[in-house]
Amino acid sequence: DVVMTQSPLSLPVTLGQPASISCRSSQSLVYSDGNTYLNWFQLRPGQSPRRLIYEVSKRDSGVPDRFSGSGSGTDFTVKISRVEADDVGVYFCMQGTHWPPTFGPGTKVEIK
Amino acid sequence: EVYLLESGGGLVQPGGSLRLSCAASGFTFRNYGMSWVRQAPGKGLEWVSAVRDSGATTYDADSVKGRFTISRDNSKNTLFLQMNSLRAEDTALYYCAKCSGATCYGFDMDVWGKGTTVTVS
Repeated sequence: DVVMTQSPLSLPVTLGQPASISCRSSQSLVYSDGNTYLNWFQLRPGQSPRRLIYEVSKRDSGVPDRFSGSGSGTDFTVKISRVEADDVGVYFCMQGTHWPPTFGPGTKVEIK
Repeated sequence: EVYLLESGGGLVQPGGSLRLSCAASGFTFRNYGMSWVRQAPGKGLEWVSAVRDSGATTYDADSVKGRFTISRDNSKNTLFLQMNSLRAEDTALYYCAKCSGATCYGFDMDVWGKGTTVTVS
């Protein structure tokens, strides 16, 4: 199975400041169709997981533009340009290129 | 608005069975693949099973193959997960998720429910 790693696992941030989470895969996530199936999810306490980013950099409908995704091959990043209180939660990356789909361990974002 | 509501979780003894349901609304259920994903206490997310729009094709993680069966009733907009021979390591919060297409190509899960808790003890 493709192993997904994330860093950091805990990210204390200051309101209004940027934040960045890294995700790395054990194999390239470029699929034979040329697409890269790397998603980012946000899990807030008591809520459903919410997909923020799909195919590396495409933002889901309703996701604030302060969230952005980038990367290629095996290295990916999600950035929050200015952290808001609402952004507290755990962020997971997930690959869907290789079977079975696998998730990163999660990065807990909290306000300092 | 797309909405997924899981039910059927509970406490079951090892070796027992449980059937989870996921009621879907807000979209044309029969046109989309669906998945189950779980999160064990203190652990990360683990994909469990997926089924394409028609129900004709299913995919299972090795950890549940032969014990869990995913199915759907498109006439009732409902997804199921039949879980047999349950083990302590199956204890988790089980999420139902909608795929963004008919076949779960790329395992692209765009909307999730809040989950239902299964405890095997």
